[in-house]
Amino acid sequence: NAGVTQTPKFRILKIGQSMTLQCTQDMNHNYMYWYRQDPGMGLKLIYYSVGAGITDKGEVPNGYNVSRSTTEDFPLRLELAAPSQTSVYFCASSRVPKEGAKNIQYFGAGTRLSVL
Amino acid sequence: TQLLEQSPQFLSIQEGENLTVYCNSSSVFSSLQWYRQEPGEGPVLLVTVVTGGEVKKLKRLTFQFGDARKDSSLHITAAQPGDTGLYLCAGRSWGPGSSNTGKLIFGQGTTLQVKP
Repeated sequence: NAGVTQTPKFRILKIGQSMTLQCTQDMNHNYMYWYRQDPGMGLKLIYYSVGAGITDKGEVPNGYNVSRSTTEDFPLRLELAAPSQTSVYFCASSRVPKEGAKNIQYFGAGTRLSVL
Repeated sequence: TQLLEQSPQFLSIQEGENLTVYCNSSSVFSSLQWYRQEPGEGPVLLVTVVTGGEVKKLKRLTFQFGDARKDSSLHITAAQPGDTGLYLCAGRSWGPGSSNTGKLIFGQGTTLQVKP
């Protein structure tokens, strides 16, 4: 049971470089999310998707882009890396949320990114 | 903007002690979740509470949702070293005007250390 898989686990970027954080899930979930986690700040939603071909901004989308061409994959793109993007990034997926239900979000193990 | 404030942010206790973590907001949430996160891993859902005043127990962990659905607490009885980790509360809103996006608002987290 792979669940949500994120790659790479660690990455160091120079200012201005670009990279794509990969996320794939094998649970056939329609909903997928990207969060960043900074010390003492909890998780902040960057982008989310409610299905293939549909994406929308979260709380902190600036400096990031996403695409959702398949149900399984939801890559996050950093075009011009900045030191402020140093963080731990988590991808998550869930079934269609329903009021009153458990509404579990399943998280990957994270990508630790440093921009120097 | 909906916010969730967790307290305390850090807690270091001896094995066997009891503790309570609080999650407060000025906003009403339709449901609230508690997650636990271990170093190098993503958050894992512990419980979802959906009814005002609801109390749920998970072994030595007791979760309560406030009557007004603005706050929640997590109480651990006789803490063990295995309880060490980051505890996160997360709230979700439903209802008219709130699209079914599955978006969660996370608190900043409580880091718990239980010493043997």
